[in-house]
Amino acid sequence: QKEVEQDPGPLSVPEGAIVSLNCTYSNSAFQYFMWYRQYSRKGPELLMYTYSSGNKEDGRFTAQVDKSSKYISLFIRDSQPSDSATYLCAMLNNAGGTSYGKLTFGQGTILTVHP
Amino acid sequence: KAGVTQTPRYLIKTRGQQVTLSCSPISGHRSVSWYQQTPGQGLQFLFEYFSETQRNKGNFPGRFSGRQFSNSRSEMNVSTLELGDSALYLCASSLPTSGREGEQFFGPGTRLTVL
Repeated sequence: QKEVEQDPGPLSVPEGAIVSLNCTYSNSAFQYFMWYRQYSRKGPELLMYTYSSGNKEDGRFTAQVDKSSKYISLFIRDSQPSDSATYLCAMLNNAGGTSYGKLTFGQGTILTVHP
Repeated sequence: KAGVTQTPRYLIKTRGQQVTLSCSPISGHRSVSWYQQTPGQGLQFLFEYFSETQRNKGNFPGRFSGRQFSNSRSEMNVSTLELGDSALYLCASSLPTSGREGEQFFGPGTRLTVL
């Protein structure tokens, strides 16, 4: 079983829709939770960064972390065609040692927002 | 502030050859992590360097190695290339200051094709 599970989709929504992306994880030591966006043939771009449980909002994006359920979500409001990309969740255990600098990623969800 | 740069962007090699990839982190960032991205396995952690020291290594064979220089620039080397090494190789830099350890910024990647 993978440490981080993410539905690969693909997910197709109309412009203006609210998009919900999710990841579950098994390692309770994860403390930092990130969402990245990756356009085709580009490197991942950091969208949201959250420490521990709670919500964080940035413009049209909201990240939620529920450590008790080992579940994280990314919501995109008023989705735009330019949001069409692969969305990757990533997590970090900051205990040092074999955790230094090692992000553990989900498989990524392919999102298409059509006009 | 300039982002993470990687050179070269594209490489074509044949089996048995070796290759060196370069990464220049964001100015002031001292940690560099390397990842391999393939369609089947997603993003997998290779190793992390901080202040010229390898602090962590993923589950890759010894053919994969790296180093970091005093200016935080990093290189990775793959010897005796195999067809399965074809992938997008990404480097990511971070400060990492307390509370921001998981905040990694990625470069555009080097796409390696092994024939």
